[in-house]
Amino acid sequence: GQQLNQSPQSMFIQEGEDVSMNCTSSSIFNTWLWYKQDPGEGPVLLIALYKAGELTSNGRLTAQFGITRKDSFLNISASIPSDVGIYFCAGLMDSNYQLIWGAGTKLIIKP
Amino acid sequence: DTAVSQTPKYLVTQMGNDKSIKCEQNLGHDTMYWYKQDSKKFLKIMFSYNNKELIINETVPNRFSPKSPDKAHLNLHINSLELGDSAVYFCASSRSLGKTQYFGPGTRLLVL
Repeated sequence: GQQLNQSPQSMFIQEGEDVSMNCTSSSIFNTWLWYKQDPGEGPVLLIALYKAGELTSNGRLTAQFGITRKDSFLNISASIPSDVGIYFCAGLMDSNYQLIWGAGTKLIIKP
Repeated sequence: DTAVSQTPKYLVTQMGNDKSIKCEQNLGHDTMYWYKQDSKKFLKIMFSYNNKELIINETVPNRFSPKSPDKAHLNLHINSLELGDSAVYFCASSRSLGKTQYFGPGTRLLVL
């Protein structure tokens, strides 16, 4: 099935560093969503973006809906240990009712 | 209060058995979903129900049969379990089709 291009696949960072990840697609989306999955849990919605160019923050997290509507990025500032997990992007099109998912970015914080 | 709940959280069973996973949401949503997450963590949609009606049925073996007794529940029955069915199964719900989805904690199925 269709899948978004999410990068990087994994990140090893020091506590306190900023993190950036992104998703791209050849298709246009009307909604971009960013989820985080902790080990042993289900994905939890972090940020939802509904408008091209929209920049939305949730605490130390900031996400943007690309102007072309084909991409989105998520930034995490001053990472802390509880930020570890897998971050997924997902996009929704009006033409169908399915969420198209990225493969995830695994965030690991070095002690 | 738990928004989307699933039972059981863990399920270990023998090949060939039949098992069910239950999902309930108390969000008042109209749409519910089942996803399968493989060992590489990729999330794959299996089924989508809107107002108890099947909307999406991806290429899933017919051994998998979803049942929605009401809008708040979507159960997944699996017949003749195979080794390849081992995965984490997530239930999700959304206010309506095409809206933001909220996930349950997952059911970890291991087929021996």
